[in-house]
Order: sequence, then C-alpha cells, then structure tokens
Amino acid sequence: QKEVEQNSGPLSVPEGAIASLNCTYSDRGSQSFFWYRQYSGKSPELIMFIYSNGDKEDGRFTAQLNKASQYVSLLIRDSQPSDSATYLCAVTRAGGGGFKTIFGAGTRLFVKA
Amino acid sequence: EAQVTQNPRYLITVTGKKLTVTCSQNMNHEYMSWYRQDPGLGLRQIYYSMNVEVTDKGDVPEGYKVSRKEKRNFPLILESPSPNQTSLYFCASSEVEGGYYYNEQFFGPGTRLTVL
Repeated sequence: QKEVEQNSGPLSVPEGAIASLNCTYSDRGSQSFFWYRQYSGKSPELIMFIYSNGDKEDGRFTAQLNKASQYVSLLIRDSQPSDSATYLCAVTRAGGGGFKTIFGAGTRLFVKA
Repeated sequence: EAQVTQNPRYLITVTGKKLTVTCSQNMNHEYMSWYRQDPGLGLRQIYYSMNVEVTDKGDVPEGYKVSRKEKRNFPLILESPSPNQTSLYFCASSEVEGGYYYNEQFFGPGTRLTVL
C-alpha cells in the first residue's frame, strides 16, 4: 500500500461542474496536507493547504480533511478548461531530524468546454 | 523576484560520469528538498534539509548525495549516475513555521536528466 494514494484518473467533468479529487494517507502521524496543481511540463504550484479537520475554502477551491478517516479531498467548483491539469496530494510527517514530504501519484483532471 | 533556480535544465550524460545539479533560492527559506518525478510514481523525495548543515534522507536517497553549506544553495550530486536515475528532478524550498511545518513549497523549473 502506498503511503499517499490518489485515483490516477483521468477524471473528466464538463465546464461549470464540480470536480471532486480524493486522497487517502496511511500514516496517522501526518501533520500537514497540501494540494498542488501541475500542468504538463511545468512545476507543481500550490492550490491549498490544510492542517485541521474540516473544510477550508479559497475561491472556487475547498479542501476537506478528515484525520479519523485519513482522507483529504479537493473540490473545484465551476470547473474551467484551464483547471485541466494533474492534481497532486502531499502530506508531511516527522522523519529524522525534520519532516518528510510524501506525494501521491496525482489525478489527471480534464474539464471539457 | 522570489524564485528557485536549477541548473542545468536539461542534461544528457553517460553512466558513471559524476554530475551536480545546482539549486538556489532567494527567499531565505530554511527548508529545501529534492524530488524526482517519474511517470505513474509522482514526486518522490530524495533528500531534504531543515537548515544549513542539516540534511536527511527522503524515500529514495540511494545513489544521490546533497550538501547544505549555505542557506540559499542545495546541490544534488550523482557520484556515479546510472540509467535508472533518468528522471525529471525538482528542487523546492519553503519557510518553516513553528519549527515543524510549512505552508507551501516553491518549486524550481525542473531538470530533465537522461543517463545513457
């Protein structure tokens, strides 16, 4: 079992719909949770981060964290074709003298115009 | 402009020829990290550094070395590259808060390495 798991997709949604991306993690000691977006051939860029159970909203994006279920999700409302990208879930956990970062393999999202 | 720079951006080399990929950030960040990205495997952490002279292994450190002699620089060294190290490499940096977490990692543009 991978430490951070995502559905690889592709996930296809029509323009204007809600896209729902999911991520599960195995280490209960995980501290921080991130969603990054990566366009083909580009570097990852942060969408949102969340530390506490519950929802966190930023514009069209909402991150949800449930530590009991070891689950974090990202909702994209009013999806746009420009949202088409790979979405990476990342978690940090204590390791050695600091903290490690573990990424999921990513979910490819296609938003159809 | 706040940024993370990597050099070279593209490199083709041969097995066994030592190489260094440089990484530099101008944001005075404490945390720096190297990742490799392979199809279907996502980003995997190679090494990370909490601050100057403080480095630790990530999940895939074999065949790599790092050093952190200055806060802004975090070079990745492949002493004897092999074909299985052909990959896309990213350097990243972030500010550490409270000594144990960060809000965002800023990524460099990536280095595409091919080892023949």
